[in-house]
Amino acid sequence: QKEVEQDPGPLSVPEGAIVSLNCTYSNSAFQYFMWYRQYSRKGPELLMYTYSSGNKEDGRFTAQVDKSSKYISLFIRDSQPSDSATYLCAMSLTTSGTYKYIFGTGTRLKVLA
Amino acid sequence: DAGVTQSPTHLIKTRGQQVTLRCSPKSGHDTVSWYQQALGQGPQFIFQYYEEEERQRGNFPDRFSGHQFPNYSSELNVNALLLGDSALYLCASSLAAGNQPQHFGDGTRLSIL
Repeated sequence: QKEVEQDPGPLSVPEGAIVSLNCTYSNSAFQYFMWYRQYSRKGPELLMYTYSSGNKEDGRFTAQVDKSSKYISLFIRDSQPSDSATYLCAMSLTTSGTYKYIFGTGTRLKVLA
Repeated sequence: DAGVTQSPTHLIKTRGQQVTLRCSPKSGHDTVSWYQQALGQGPQFIFQYYEEEERQRGNFPDRFSGHQFPNYSSELNVNALLLGDSALYLCASSLAAGNQPQHFGDGTRLSIL
């Protein structure tokens, strides 16, 4: 079993829809939870991150962490064609001087005009 | 605010050759991590450099080596290239070693013939 699971999609939605992207994980020691957006032929762009649990909002984006269910979500409101990209979740922990930074495989999102 | 910069953007090599990739971290960051991203996959951690030392290494062979300079920039070297080394190589920077959220460059696309 992978430590971080993410549905690869693709996910197609009409412009203006609310998009929900999700990841599950198995290691309860993860501390930081990140969401990255990656356009074709570009590097991942850090969208949002959360330390421990809870919600965080930034404009049209909301990140949620549910540590009891080992489940994180990214919501995109009023989706735009420019949001079409691959969305990667990532999680990290540090313990006893070592650390892990693990990515999901990414979900391809297409927002149709 | 200068982000993470990588060079070159694209490189073509043949099997058995050696390659050096370069990275300058985001302004204010002192830690550099390197990742390999295969098509359709999330980035895989190669190693992290802090204070000019390799602090942690992922599951990659010794053919992969690196260096960090006093100005925090870094190089990734790969010897005896194999066809399977074809991938996007990403550099990420952060403030302090460990599991802090990382910012990525646009990568070097390495093609092995």
